[in-house]
Amino acid sequence: SQQGEEDPQALSIQEGENATMNCSYKTSINNLQWYRQNSGRGLVHLILIRSNEREKHSGRLRVTLDTSKKSSSLLITASRAADTASYFCATPLNNNDMRFGAGTRLTVKP
Amino acid sequence: DAGITQSPRHKVTETGTPVTLRCHQTENHRYMYWYRQDPGHGLRLIHYSYGVKDTDKGEVSDGYSVSRSKTEDFLLTLESATSSQTSVYFCAISENRGENTEAFFGQGTRLTVV
Repeated sequence: SQQGEEDPQALSIQEGENATMNCSYKTSINNLQWYRQNSGRGLVHLILIRSNEREKHSGRLRVTLDTSKKSSSLLITASRAADTASYFCATPLNNNDMRFGAGTRLTVKP
Repeated sequence: DAGITQSPRHKVTETGTPVTLRCHQTENHRYMYWYRQDPGHGLRLIHYSYGVKDTDKGEVSDGYSVSRSKTEDFLLTLESATSSQTSVYFCAISENRGENTEAFFGQGTRLTVV
């Protein structure tokens, strides 16, 4: 079973709009990470948020974490066509394993 | 891509044949991982290494073995390839334990077992 599950599975928006993706997980965590994957490429780390943080920003990215609801959200503001990619959340399962969800496929139309 | 090279990038092999995928890093990171990515499943950990000759199993290790004789190389071997092992395989590295630091990924190897 997946530790992290992203929602929605797919999202299509116009350039300039905001994109919000959600991640739910099942067990208590120390931190949660978000990654991006462009088509045919490996994953690229975007941001790590620790369990004692509620919100974190990086450029146009805003990540929130609600440990009481076991959920996180990734907001991309003022989206661009170059943001088209799949986005994954990753949560630690044990000391050396990160569990990835199936991802959200984001399409930003010019 | 953070000094990670996977080879080959694409491979087609027949059922029952052994296959070895190679991951080479130039970052001198201690931890190395092999994941497979399948539609609807995200990435699943196959095996990982926490040092030279130190490896352990991940979530989907059956049918796979690994070896790490040097810091920079992590090999994944499919003992006898099956069609269910058709997938995209990613190598990743991290400086510290996976949960506490970011991982850097290679570009992937697309393996097709016919």
